[in-house]
This record gives sequence, structure tokens and C-alpha cells, in this order.
Amino acid sequence: ELKVEQNPLFLSMQEGKNYTIYCNYSTTSDRLYWYRQDPGKSLESLFVLLSNGAVKQEGRLMASLDTKARLSTLHITAAVHDLSATYFCAVDSDQAGTALIFGKGTTLSVSS
Amino acid sequence: DAGVTQSPTHLIKTRGQQVTLRCSPISGHKSVSWYQQVLGQGPQFIFQYYEKEERGRGNFPDRFSARQFPNYSSELNVNALLLGDSALYLCASSLFSGYYGQYFGPGTRLTVT
Repeated sequence: ELKVEQNPLFLSMQEGKNYTIYCNYSTTSDRLYWYRQDPGKSLESLFVLLSNGAVKQEGRLMASLDTKARLSTLHITAAVHDLSATYFCAVDSDQAGTALIFGKGTTLSVSS
Repeated sequence: DAGVTQSPTHLIKTRGQQVTLRCSPISGHKSVSWYQQVLGQGPQFIFQYYEKEERGRGNFPDRFSARQFPNYSSELNVNALLLGDSALYLCASSLFSGYYGQYFGPGTRLTVT
């Protein structure tokens, strides 16, 4: 069974602190995606990681991919309240096409 | 350019009824995928269509069906609604099947009472 596991599922952070969200997956995909979802909203694409060793950064978020370990990380630097949201990682299904398998999401709450 | 659009935004139905959800992809995108997101969970893949043909199907009952039209828009139909079908239904479009960039629409919130 294809699995995408994120941890932690809930994360309460103080502003200014650093933390990492982990995403383990069991497919053979070399592509991994990170999305952000605000309450009641749709998914916003954050990062697309297309190969082993890929690292991408946008503002206070940095994502990396290790396909050999089947692990991706989303690192948050100096958290601010605006980063409060739910973050999902997803990988390509082993099926043909563009079906994505999502993790359960990590709900991040940043407080002062 | 307009992004992915979905209609309606919200919908309330009664158990046993049927519902049709609509999606228009980004201009030039030929692939449409549907996902169901139950509250507190990640999205679950339902269908993918490319060039009007079904290219993938998730683990959903036959009550769920979909189609894609010549203009690449798509409809998702759900028959004999159950309370458990209450969810946010998301449509995603991409240039072609297998392409890495998927763009999600705002979703349709379906409530079954």
C-alpha cells in the first residue's frame, strides 16, 4: 500500500523559532510536492522537488528531497504568525498519470 | 490568466440524492484530476482525465463517475449520496498527463444531510 507519512501532525511554535516537518513516503517516485492550505481554502503549491538532492527555498521555508531515504523535509526558519496553516506533502502515485498521494498534513500554529 | 474554476462553491444535498460538480481547467491545460478532502485529512485521488479519456481511478465506489468534455472542462457526478460523502471536492489541472505541475481550484464544499 502506498503511504505518505508526515510528522508531526500538529505543531505549535513560538515566533522566531525554527522547526522541521518530515515527510516519509513509500512510492518509487522521484518527485515530491509541498502544499499549503489555509482554513476553508484550496491548496497552494509551495515547492516542487524533481530529483534527489533537490533543495528549494522561499522566504522562511526551505524544502529538500532525499529519494534514497524516501524522505523530504520542510524547514521553517524564524517562524512568523503568517505561516500558520496546514502543510501537506504529496508524491506521484505509482499509477500512470498525475494522481498524487497526500500525507495527512501538518497543522502549524505560530504564536507570539 | 484565469486559474482553475469550480462550481458551485457550496452545495447542500440530502442522502440518496445525486450531485454534479463542475471544473474548468487553466487555459491550455488538457488534464483534469478530482480529489476528495474530508475534514482533517489530506486530499484523496478520485479520477484523472486526459484528452477526454480516463487515465486513473482511485479507490472510490462506482457511485462516483466523471467525464471530460471537448473543451477540457470536467464534471464529477456522485449518485446515491451518503453522509460520508460530505467533503471538499478539489479539481486540479495540468498541461498533460504525467506533468509535474498541478494547479488546484478553490473547491466545492458538499454537505450531505
